[in-house]
Amino acid sequence: SQELEQSPQSLIVQEGKNLTINCTSSKTLYGLYWYKQKYGEGLIFLMMLQKGGEEKSHEKITAKLDEKKQQSSLHITASQPSHAGIYLCGADTLPTNAGKSTFGDGTTLTVKP
Amino acid sequence: DAGITQSPRHKVTETGTPVTLRCHQTENHRYMYWYRQDPGHGLRLIHYSYGVKDTDKGEVSDGYSVSRSKTEDFLLTLESATSSQTSVYFCATTTGGDGYTFGSGTRLTVV
Repeated sequence: SQELEQSPQSLIVQEGKNLTINCTSSKTLYGLYWYKQKYGEGLIFLMMLQKGGEEKSHEKITAKLDEKKQQSSLHITASQPSHAGIYLCGADTLPTNAGKSTFGDGTTLTVKP
Repeated sequence: DAGITQSPRHKVTETGTPVTLRCHQTENHRYMYWYRQDPGHGLRLIHYSYGVKDTDKGEVSDGYSVSRSKTEDFLLTLESATSSQTSVYFCATTTGGDGYTFGSGTRLTVV
């Protein structure tokens, strides 16, 4: 999606290393969502951010929202092979969106044991 | 997720034939969506529904129609399948504002 740019497109890290994935919107964000997808499967909801400066954590995954930059970052601490997959951000760019999210193209994460 | 199921999981069909994909949810959610996922394009919204018999077009609706006669079922129909509609199709639901729940996807190949 050109509305949402994710970077990097792919990432290979050694087990135990930290990593960050970014998601930048060209429009105002009214909600930012992070999902994880394993190959051949559906997307699993990780977390949602709505307010500027908001930060949420789920196990070793932390996401932050920078409202001014219209950007969110997803940080994984001490990566494990179980973290491997495709991470997608989704965003609501209208205040009343009927839940219609726009998605980034995804970041493919490989964790080498 | 056990609350949303898609059928079939895989389908191969010939160009020009009609195809219907089914999404079934057990959560009584009002909103349901059909997305397609393609390399380089991410997820793109095809159609969505905000209630029984209430549907609207998404970003890539040409060549697709939908129907929702019951809260739990949302059908996606390809009127006359083309090779450009080869894709992975995902159904999703939401309670509104707390993220989607996705089905496991339908891999459709049009030959």
